[in-house]
Amino acid sequence: QVQLVQSGAEVKKPGASVKVSCKTSGYTFTSYGVNWVRQAPGQGLEWMGWISGYNDNTNYAQKLQGRVTMTTDTSTSTAYMDLRSLRSDDTAVYYCARSSSSSWLYGMDVWGQGTTVTVSS
Amino acid sequence: DIQMTQSPSSLSASVGDRVTITCRASQSISSYLNWYLQKPGKAPKLLIYAASTLQSGVPSRFSGSESGTDFTLTISSLQPEDFGTYYCQQSYSNYLTFGGGTKVDIK
Repeated sequence: QVQLVQSGAEVKKPGASVKVSCKTSGYTFTSYGVNWVRQAPGQGLEWMGWISGYNDNTNYAQKLQGRVTMTTDTSTSTAYMDLRSLRSDDTAVYYCARSSSSSWLYGMDVWGQGTTVTVSS
Repeated sequence: DIQMTQSPSSLSASVGDRVTITCRASQSISSYLNWYLQKPGKAPKLLIYAASTLQSGVPSRFSGSESGTDFTLTISSLQPEDFGTYYCQQSYSNYLTFGGGTKVDIK
C-alpha cells in the first residue's frame, strides 16, 4: 500500500536549520508530486510548498521563499524539506503529503504521520 | 494569495443531522477546491477533490457542490466518526491555500 514515513521529532535553537525526510513506498515516485504542510500548535493547516517527483520543479509559499528548500532522491523515493533560520513561530507539526496526480491540482491523497519540530532556546 | 474563508468556524450537531460547511474563495478558482477531515492528533484525510468528486473509499453521505466562488461540503446524515475539523483548500493557484477550518462536534 502507499505509505509516506517521516523522520523523527526535532528540537532546534533559533537560527538553526532542520531537514525533514519523507520516505515513500507503494507507488511510482516519479509519477506524483509531494507537498509539505505544517500545523502550529492549536492552529490550522499551512501549505509550505510542492515538489515534482518527476523533474524537481518546485512551488514555495511566498512567506517562506528564501528559507525553504525542497528536494528529492529518486533512488530512494524520498522527499526532503529543509527550513533555515528557524524562529519560534516555526514550531509546528510538519507533514508531507502526496499529490493525487502529477500536478498539485487534485488534492493530497496520502499523508505522512507528521514530524514535530520545536524551536526553542 | 487566494484567501479561503470557511463558515462556520465550529458547529455541534446530532447523529443523523444534515450538516453543511461553506468555503468562499477571494477570487475565481474554477472547480479546484478540495475538502479534508482532520481528527485530533492525526494527519488530514482527503474527502473530496475538484469540488464534487468523492475520493475513493469515502462514504457517499459526503458530497460537495459549488456556486461561483462559494463551495459547500454536505454530510447528509452525520455519523459519530465524522467529528473533527474540516478544511477546504484551493489548488487553482500554484500557491495553495487552506481555509481556517470548521470544527464539528457530535452532540
